[in-house]
Amino acid sequence: AQTVTQSQPEMSVQEAETVTLSCTYDTSESNYYLFWYKQPPSRQMILVIRQEAYKQQNATENRFSVNFQKAAKSFSLKISDSQLGDTAMYFCAMETSGSRLTFGEGTQLTVNP
Amino acid sequence: GAGVSQSPSNKVTEKGKDVELRCDPISGHTALYWYRQSLGQGLEFLIYFQGNSAPDKSGLPSDRFSAERTGGSVSTLTIQRTQQEDSAVYLCASSLEGFNQPQHFGDGTRLSIL
Repeated sequence: AQTVTQSQPEMSVQEAETVTLSCTYDTSESNYYLFWYKQPPSRQMILVIRQEAYKQQNATENRFSVNFQKAAKSFSLKISDSQLGDTAMYFCAMETSGSRLTFGEGTQLTVNP
Repeated sequence: GAGVSQSPSNKVTEKGKDVELRCDPISGHTALYWYRQSLGQGLEFLIYFQGNSAPDKSGLPSDRFSAERTGGSVSTLTIQRTQQEDSAVYLCASSLEGFNQPQHFGDGTRLSIL
């Protein structure tokens, strides 16, 4: 069975600062993919960034980057230069060969002006 | 529009009634997924359709839940004899075929059972 755990229910950060959201996972599969999704109040799930497990290089998308520690099964998201529009619920997710996504419980991020 | 479309956006119904939720995936996407998001929780997988293959129904919580996908496009999730614990947001996603194709989500249907 696959599990994804986010241990931070809520976080806050000041505008323009950097924040890191934590995620750990567990799977017995060797081939998998990891994702961070953002869900603003509009409810739509928006893909922020993804990481292929067989790639050692950490993925980066503009202000968003990940710290992927495969041995520790850790996949944290770093948001640099935080903006008010980054306020949302953030979900860590994993996809294995079954194609379904397994989600963590989510972290509510608030960016304060 | 080019995105995943779900209807209705909100649905309020009485306990014991049947409901149907609709998902119109992105054109050309052969994979379609249904997830359930209870208040303050993450998403729970319900069912997955891929092309003409038999759907993966392993996430459906009870036999009151069923889903179909007609013509490889539009999907309907049906909940019979609704219960209060069925209250949640039901999200649909679609993707191209293949491992690691990103899933594109709709805005969901908020279902409230009175």
